[in-house]
Amino acid sequence: QVQLVQSEAAVRKPGSSVKVSCQASGDSLIFNKYAFSWVRQAPGQGLEWMGGIIPIRGPPKYADKFQDRVRITVDESTSTAYLDLNDLTHEDTAIYFCEGSYRPSSSQDPLDYWGQGTLLTVSS
Amino acid sequence: VMTQNPPFLSVTPGQPTSISCKSSQSLLHSDGNNYLYWYLQKPGQPPHLLIYEVSKRFSGVSDRIGGSGSETDFTLSISRVEPEDVGVYYCMQNIHFPVTFGGGTKVEIK
Repeated sequence: QVQLVQSEAAVRKPGSSVKVSCQASGDSLIFNKYAFSWVRQAPGQGLEWMGGIIPIRGPPKYADKFQDRVRITVDESTSTAYLDLNDLTHEDTAIYFCEGSYRPSSSQDPLDYWGQGTLLTVSS
Repeated sequence: VMTQNPPFLSVTPGQPTSISCKSSQSLLHSDGNNYLYWYLQKPGQPPHLLIYEVSKRFSGVSDRIGGSGSETDFTLSISRVEPEDVGVYYCMQNIHFPVTFGGGTKVEIK
């Protein structure tokens, strides 16, 4: 059973940066198989996909909205995925979720796991 | 763009209900699959997967929950609503970049 454990809540000032982590456990080959996405949810709002990475397939992809100020990385040595978000504004106040997904084959169910979420508050 | 309706449902226990999700583009891939997913988010929790590829139930999902549709029009159906079904339901597509979610449908029990 894969578990994704995210970093604690963070408070940042406008214009600053944040790094959110998502540590995976339960599968030693997780970064050889899983796709990782970051999804955020502003207070009282819906889900918004920010970007994702399939480590064995190449560089991450980002939604256009975040292209200039987001970076997704993975550290296989610690089984951790990271989301860096720069130039924060109040509109970045949200819960940030990491998601790990993997489809063993077309005839098998997918595997889909979510972190518990990290609340980012951007406040002056 | 993924458009869900209605945004809110209040349902009597034991009654059926359904949620519509319309995509601005066809979600039908050349492999014959429609890449449309349904998630449920309960209060204070991350979303969890219910349905993948339109109608395939994820592991452990009740057979009261079903999905249907093709190309641009999709429906999530619950045959007999139970208290455990409360939360916000989201449709999602990942065949077109970027991945997009519907606006959500909040389901409550009367």
